[in-house]
Amino acid sequence: EPEVTQTPSHQVTQMGQEVILRCVPISNHLYFYWYRQILGQKVEFLVSFYNNEISEKSEIFDDQFSVERPDGSNFTLKIRSTKLEDSAMYFCASSEYSITYEQYFGPGTRLTVT
Amino acid sequence: GENVEQHPSTLSVQEGDSAVIKCTYSDSASNYFPWYKQELGKRPQLIIDIRSNVGEKKDQRIAVTLNKTAKHFSLHITETQPEDSAVYFCAASKTSYDKVIFGPGTSLSVIP
Repeated sequence: EPEVTQTPSHQVTQMGQEVILRCVPISNHLYFYWYRQILGQKVEFLVSFYNNEISEKSEIFDDQFSVERPDGSNFTLKIRSTKLEDSAMYFCASSEYSITYEQYFGPGTRLTVT
Repeated sequence: GENVEQHPSTLSVQEGDSAVIKCTYSDSASNYFPWYKQELGKRPQLIIDIRSNVGEKKDQRIAVTLNKTAKHFSLHITETQPEDSAVYFCAASKTSYDKVIFGPGTSLSVIP
């Protein structure tokens, strides 16, 4: 069964550094999402992406964040200057163009900012 | 925006008993209500979902009910097993392809 994949599984970075989190959505999916989950808390929506542009973004997704689909398979989340509070699990998800609505989540990247 | 509340935050049941988790949502435009199970350190896994044109849905030991008028929906797990132990999230989505808004989660422990 096709799965969303994410790399790396764990990223440690120093405050102020840039990080890029990578995702490979399921191949026939057209809608892409990033969510984050701070340890012990709920999953929070960051941004959705369709047709090579952002569809919607949350208040969390400020100017420090950006997303890109650099080629036909990858979907990336960049954080320009990381803060301690960016430490979280970041999940990528994708959805196909159908009425089923279901979003398939990747395994996540644990980002630790020191 | 949409806000999803969930109760209880923790739930402990004996193996074989039933577990019920209840959620409310605020946006009457929400039409899709998925439930996710998350084991420690893993991704959220969709276990069942329900759409606004349906009041109840069942899949083996899991059932969900939806009351659109009251903006309530619930998850029922019967004959619980230790492997049901996890955090369960209810969620709501407004339209197809829209963002999913998660509830705060319920930590379910099934005691053997």
